[in-house]
Amino acid sequence: DAMVIQNPRYQVTQFGKPVTLSCSQTLNHNVMYWYQQKSSQAPKLLFHYYDKDFNNEADTPDNFQSRRPNTSFCFLDIRSPGLGDAAMYLCATSRAWTGGTSNYGYTFGSGTRLTVV
Amino acid sequence: DQQVKQNSPSLSVQEGRISILNCDYTNSMFDYFLWYKKYPAEGPTFLISISSIKDKNEDGRFTVFLNKSAKHLSLHIVPSQPGDSAVYFCAASVGGNKLVFGAGTILRVKS
Repeated sequence: DAMVIQNPRYQVTQFGKPVTLSCSQTLNHNVMYWYQQKSSQAPKLLFHYYDKDFNNEADTPDNFQSRRPNTSFCFLDIRSPGLGDAAMYLCATSRAWTGGTSNYGYTFGSGTRLTVV
Repeated sequence: DQQVKQNSPSLSVQEGRISILNCDYTNSMFDYFLWYKKYPAEGPTFLISISSIKDKNEDGRFTVFLNKSAKHLSLHIVPSQPGDSAVYFCAASVGGNKLVFGAGTILRVKS
C-alpha cells in the first residue's frame, strides 16, 4: 500500500543533543510537510517542500532544519533540542494544488513522539 | 493567533444519535476546508472536504456544512457508531496547500 512512514515512532533525546527524524513516502507526492503538535494543541506547520523548493514558516525557530534529498525522503533536524521541543512531529504529503474541487488533502504518517530529557 | 478554532475539546454522544462537531475560522481568504479523523497512535486520516463554492457536502454518514458569512463549519455524523470515537480535526487552506488546523475535538460514542 502507498503510504507515509515515519521513523522512529518514539525518540528520546538529551537536552541539546542533535536529533533527526525521518519520513518516507511511496505516493510520489511532490509536496512534503512537517508539523509539530504539542499536547491538546493544533498541529503547527514548521515548513514544507514543494519538490526541491524549501518553504519555511516565518515563526519556525532556527533550531529546526529540514532536508529532502529526493522525492521519497524528508528529514527534520533539531540542532539543539530544548524541553519545549518535546512534541509529536507529523510528516504529511500531498499533490500540488491545481485547482478544482477534488480532494487534495494530506496523507499523514503516524508521527514521531519526541521526548527531551 | 489561531485562525481555526474548535472550541469544544470533547463531545460525548450515544450510539445511533447525531454527532455535531463545530469549527470556526477567522481568515476570510480560506477557500477549502477539510475534516480529519485521528485514532490513538495513528496519523490523521482524511474524512471529508468542502470548497467555499459549496455550502454542503455529503459522504455516507458524514456531512459537512459551511456557513461563509458566519465563518463556521460543522461536521455531522449520522448515525454515530462506537468506531467513530476518535479525535476530529478541522483544517482550512487558501488554494489547497498549507493546511491550518484546529486543536481537535475528542468524540466519544457510547454504546
